[in-house]
Amino acid sequence: QKEVEQNSGPLSVPEGAIASLNCTYSDRGSQSFFWYRQYSGKSPELIMFIYSNGDKEDGRFTAQLNKASQYVSLLIRDSQPSDSATYLCAGYNNNDMRFGAGTRLTVKP
Amino acid sequence: DGGITQSPKYLFRKEGQNVTLSCEQNLNHDAMYWYRQDPGQGLRLIYYSQIVNDFQKGDIAEGYSVSREKKESFPLTVTSAQKNPTAFYLCASSFGNQPQHFGDGTRLSIL
Repeated sequence: QKEVEQNSGPLSVPEGAIASLNCTYSDRGSQSFFWYRQYSGKSPELIMFIYSNGDKEDGRFTAQLNKASQYVSLLIRDSQPSDSATYLCAGYNNNDMRFGAGTRLTVKP
Repeated sequence: DGGITQSPKYLFRKEGQNVTLSCEQNLNHDAMYWYRQDPGQGLRLIYYSQIVNDFQKGDIAEGYSVSREKKESFPLTVTSAQKNPTAFYLCASSFGNQPQHFGDGTRLSIL
């Protein structure tokens, strides 16, 4: 069974802190990975995607991929209350996209 | 604007009734997907389609049916065989291994 696991949370951080969201996957054939943000009652929106080992930065967001450890993470620097949402990790392999259950993040002012 | 349009936003189903959820995209994406999301849960794949006139079952296809007669359209029918249809239904599309783009979703409830 191909699984994507996320730390269950909920995760609470103060405004301005770094939020760290983690994800592991079981399918070694997974080629690309995605982080989506989902506000309550809304559809997921893409935050970051990463295909290669290492770090990828976009503004306050950094995605990290370690294929040997089958580990993906998302760092959010200078967290803002507007970052409060559920974050979904997904892995893709040959037409098969697997989503984790999501981690709920709360950023407290 | 390019995007994915799902309709209706809210839908109510009576006992023994089939209902159809609409999904249209103008992104020229080959692949389209239907997911179900229950409260506090992740996304579970119902059906997906890579090309017109072809589709594959996902993890929870029982009680659902789809068609892909046009590249732009991928409607989902929730049949009376689906005994617990209350959920948030999300349609997505993508090109190759590029990120999936989601519609705004349809909330289905039982009357």
